[in-house]
Amino acid sequence: DAGITQSPRHKVTETGTPVTLRCHQTENHRYMYWYRQDPGHGLRLIHYSYGVKDTDKGEVSDGYSVSRSKTEDFLLTLESATSSQTSVYFCATLVGANSPLHFGNGTRLTVT
Amino acid sequence: ILNVEQSPQSLHVQEGDSTNFTCSFPSSNFYALHWYRWETAKSPEALFVMTLNGDEKKKGRISATLNTKEGYSYLYIKGSQPEDSATYLCAFYGGATNKLIFGTGTLLAVQP
Repeated sequence: DAGITQSPRHKVTETGTPVTLRCHQTENHRYMYWYRQDPGHGLRLIHYSYGVKDTDKGEVSDGYSVSRSKTEDFLLTLESATSSQTSVYFCATLVGANSPLHFGNGTRLTVT
Repeated sequence: ILNVEQSPQSLHVQEGDSTNFTCSFPSSNFYALHWYRWETAKSPEALFVMTLNGDEKKKGRISATLNTKEGYSYLYIKGSQPEDSATYLCAFYGGATNKLIFGTGTLLAVQP
């Protein structure tokens, strides 16, 4: 969908290790978002970007950082993974407010 | 903190029943209201993007209305089918921030 690729698709890591998830898009969409999916919480916004090098915090940004050095890539880094960050992470892109979000296929992260 | 609420949390109906869900959102800084359909193990799929007060949109048996002055939107499904079983999410787009904040969703189960 909209050429969005998330990598890796699955990852198991240990508590305390840094982890980087990648979102790559081929559609030149300006806005990019990282969400996490947890039972009972729906999708919660972690960080988002409104342009190259322009990022801002979402609802649940503690323990996460992002970078967007070029339009097509939006990286999400867990600086020191904790078990509470075990989740499914979705990247999404947006052309503009009147358009729908396009989602990647998700990354399932397990922190042991 | 933007508060986007959906009710009910879950709904069980019989095939052929019509049903509706509610999404409530802040009435200030409104820019758009999105509806998505989300099946287990898949990515969310866009249903509607609504921007104007009084807007009504329709896609097959599914329709939605929007009241931006009082901050709510209704999603209606006419003659529910088992394949309508999914989680239905709404998302509020606040123009001042470019954030897209989701509600926790309504889980619909349609029994044959």
